[in-house]
Amino acid sequence: ETGVTQTPRHLVMGMTNKKSLKCEQHLGHNAMYWYKQSAKKPLELMFVYSLEERVENNSVPSRFSPECPNSSHLFLHLHTLQPEDSALYLCASSQDVGTRNTEAFFGQGTRLTVV
Amino acid sequence: AQSVAQPEDQVNVAEGNPLTVKCTYSVSGNPYLFWYVQYPNRGLQFLLKYITGDNLVKGSYGFEAEFNKSQTSFHLKKPSALVSDSALYFCAVRDGSGGSYIPTFGRGTSLIVHP
Repeated sequence: ETGVTQTPRHLVMGMTNKKSLKCEQHLGHNAMYWYKQSAKKPLELMFVYSLEERVENNSVPSRFSPECPNSSHLFLHLHTLQPEDSALYLCASSQDVGTRNTEAFFGQGTRLTVV
Repeated sequence: AQSVAQPEDQVNVAEGNPLTVKCTYSVSGNPYLFWYVQYPNRGLQFLLKYITGDNLVKGSYGFEAEFNKSQTSFHLKKPSALVSDSALYFCAVRDGSGGSYIPTFGRGTSLIVHP
């Protein structure tokens, strides 16, 4: 276990559904990240939060809506997704965004399938 | 801009033989380099990192990596491969001297160790 927990592990949703992914870390980290991992594609950084403030938003469609209520929790709210949004969604945390010599800790991911 | 190249999509090696997974990087400042491993349907796990100092870095599960500044490389190595080493391996770089704080990941290399 890396100290980063994601729920659910698997999610199947219809294109009209609304669902949320949850990420929790108890490492005392100040930075949290959402990544999308699709087959045959590089890791895509979606959002970065530093001390509950969003600091990066990499041109992600508005059907993905992040929320960071505190430095230990991160959510990704999903609505009206498309089949091409099916992927493994990874949450990660690190000490903070400015400490560049530290590694990231990843959760096990949520395997999302949009039908 | 920073970048990472993993020139091989897949590496095949027989159990007991040495393995090498290649990584080259480009960064304007001092490179901070990382290797991660991903087992099927899991998140990324940190293996090792180079920040400064000794060019040969030792990490988890018997892996090591050699930093070569002149060749801008950070290849992952292990003297004797195990079947259980079969996984996806990612190299990542951060700029230690400024610029973007966001790590850049390579596309990943699938390591297959044959019994």
